[in-house]
Amino acid sequence: DQQVKQNSPSLSVQEGRISILNCDYTNSMFDYFLWYKKYPAEGPTFLISISSIKDKNEDGRFTVFLNKSAKHLSLHIVPSQPGDSAVYFCAAINYGGSQGNLIFGKGTKLSVKP
Amino acid sequence: DSGVTQTPKHLITATGQRVTLRCSPRSGDLSVYWYQQSLDQGLQFLIHYYNGEERAKGNILERFSAQQFPDLHSELNLSSLELGDSALYFCASSWTGDSPLHFGNGTRLTVT
Repeated sequence: DQQVKQNSPSLSVQEGRISILNCDYTNSMFDYFLWYKKYPAEGPTFLISISSIKDKNEDGRFTVFLNKSAKHLSLHIVPSQPGDSAVYFCAAINYGGSQGNLIFGKGTKLSVKP
Repeated sequence: DSGVTQTPKHLITATGQRVTLRCSPRSGDLSVYWYQQSLDQGLQFLIHYYNGEERAKGNILERFSAQQFPDLHSELNLSSLELGDSALYFCASSWTGDSPLHFGNGTRLTVT
């Protein structure tokens, strides 16, 4: 049973437009959420995170929104750039757990077209 | 470059065999984590070591074992390999449990 779901395997966006990547979770005990970005032949790299006590966190072009009642979070990238083309993983951790014990979604492949 | 080094990059072996994957964490990081990524799957947490001691286990098979040595490098041992063990195995390290993970580039294991 998948506790973290990324229902869109892929997303294609034009350069300069907004990219919105979505993630749903089922476990109400998750209290911290992270997004990782992965390029081919490389390991995932940390992008941005959000605590369950917040509903928004922003870092430059990247913003993560959390809707706890809907058990949904989204990553907005504005404006999208070709270098953003990668696989994006949503991840969550249980209350009291370390970030190492992350539960990952299957990822969404973002393609940003020039 | 994340600073986490994994060797080898690729490994091809036969069913029933045993392999060892190696990970050197970032300088100063005491925690090492192992993850498995099978085809079309997200990363599955296997095991966490902190300063030589096992801290948490995820969905790690009994055929798999790991250890972290005094110099903080870690090894993941996979034995009695099956075709379904073919996957990318990632190592990650962090300074504390609250720090973001830094992943290596993974070892691609192919079992034939």
